[in-house]
Amino acid sequence: KAGVTQTPRYLIKTRGQQVTLSCSPISGHRSVSWYQQTPGQGLQFLFEYFSETQRNKGNFPGRFSGRQFSNSRSEMNVSTLELGDSALYLCASSLGGTGTLSGNTIYFGEGSWLTVV
Amino acid sequence: SQKIEQNSEALNIQEGKTATLTCNYTNYSPAYLQWYRQDPGRGPVFLLLIRENEKEKRKERLKVTFDTTLKQSLFHITASQPADSATYLCALGYGQNFVFGPGTRLSVLP
Repeated sequence: KAGVTQTPRYLIKTRGQQVTLSCSPISGHRSVSWYQQTPGQGLQFLFEYFSETQRNKGNFPGRFSGRQFSNSRSEMNVSTLELGDSALYLCASSLGGTGTLSGNTIYFGEGSWLTVV
Repeated sequence: SQKIEQNSEALNIQEGKTATLTCNYTNYSPAYLQWYRQDPGRGPVFLLLIRENEKEKRKERLKVTFDTTLKQSLFHITASQPADSATYLCALGYGQNFVFGPGTRLSVLP
């Protein structure tokens, strides 16, 4: 079956602009989570959506937001881009989420490389 | 404060040897721990999961241990091959949260 698909793969934006990234999870997966990966900070959790509801949120400013649609596809948006937002943004899907009682395997997409200039 | 550490940023070993990677955590009470492999420019790929009540898990050449007293997990790759060269990440699941360690870049030299 198809894996997690993220679009676009690469993009360049200017400071102050906003960006929307898209993620299509594995068919049947209801949980989608987003991560930011940078050389300095590693892989950091942004938020998780399950059945269109944000279930969990990491420690990022309100400029970072997301949503999930009824077909489990998800988007994340970053407004008023800063240079420090340049990173690899990874989406991951799982059947039931990453909470304590699940311990589900999560499957990552290939990521969207965002460069802010 | 809460912290996850992985033994070193980079680890070089000779082909055929056993690679041992360490994941230590502080001020977490994880219900489970996972290990992932990440190749450059790619998303992480799940390898193994071990729960807090399990001591050891194996999968082919991979073995992971989990010691909640020491607050440590060890990840072993036996009979290592150059194709095992990658960054390996540990991740803790606790409550409704999930957090990754910084990763160890493993290079297996032929």
